[in-house]
Amino acid sequence: GAGVSQSPRYKVAKRGQDVALRCDPISGHVSLFWYQQALGQGPEFLTYFQNEAQLDKSGLPSDRFFAERPEGSVSTLKIQRTQQEDSAVYLCASSLGGGTSGAYEQYFGPGTRLTVT
Amino acid sequence: AQSVAQPEDQVNVAEGNPLTVKCTYSVSGNPYLFWYVQYPNRGLQFLLKYITGDNLVKGSYGFEAEFNKSQTSFHLKKPSALVSDSALYFCAVRDLQTGANNLFFGTGTRLTVIP
Repeated sequence: GAGVSQSPRYKVAKRGQDVALRCDPISGHVSLFWYQQALGQGPEFLTYFQNEAQLDKSGLPSDRFFAERPEGSVSTLKIQRTQQEDSAVYLCASSLGGGTSGAYEQYFGPGTRLTVT
Repeated sequence: AQSVAQPEDQVNVAEGNPLTVKCTYSVSGNPYLFWYVQYPNRGLQFLLKYITGDNLVKGSYGFEAEFNKSQTSFHLKKPSALVSDSALYFCAVRDLQTGANNLFFGTGTRLTVIP
């Protein structure tokens, strides 16, 4: 079946521009996560949705980062006034379960590579 | 606080030999442990997980991992390496005590299988 998809795959933004990154999770998956992966590092958690509710946004690095999942399916990560330090790969993941059932594995999309010049 | 250590940035192994990729963790409560593999320009692919029960878990592509609570380790193993196993491997943990649903990842180990 279809996996997690993300678009665009690559994005180049000039410093100060706003960007929007899209994630289409696996159909029926309750949970959706955004991670940021810097070069040579492991993914770092940004935010978590259970259906349309954003239950955890503790990993968002600043108030320039905003995420939404209005209908409990597609999610958008928006970065306002991009800075060079925002350059990274942004990964989206979804999992079947939600709540405290963290036993479900997360399925990752291919990521969006953001380069801020 | 939770943490994951992958002490080796790079592991080289000859094709056909057994491989081990090491992972140790630190959590406040009981852990859920995961291994993922990342190929170039692709997202992370799930390999296996330990939730509860048997300490030896088997996963995709012939990989297995052993949960060792006393040593707080979850090393990834395969009896006979293939060239196609060459990739970046990440260990991840979820700390049940924190109540958070996200995974906390190690920094990754690059595995190179030499023909």
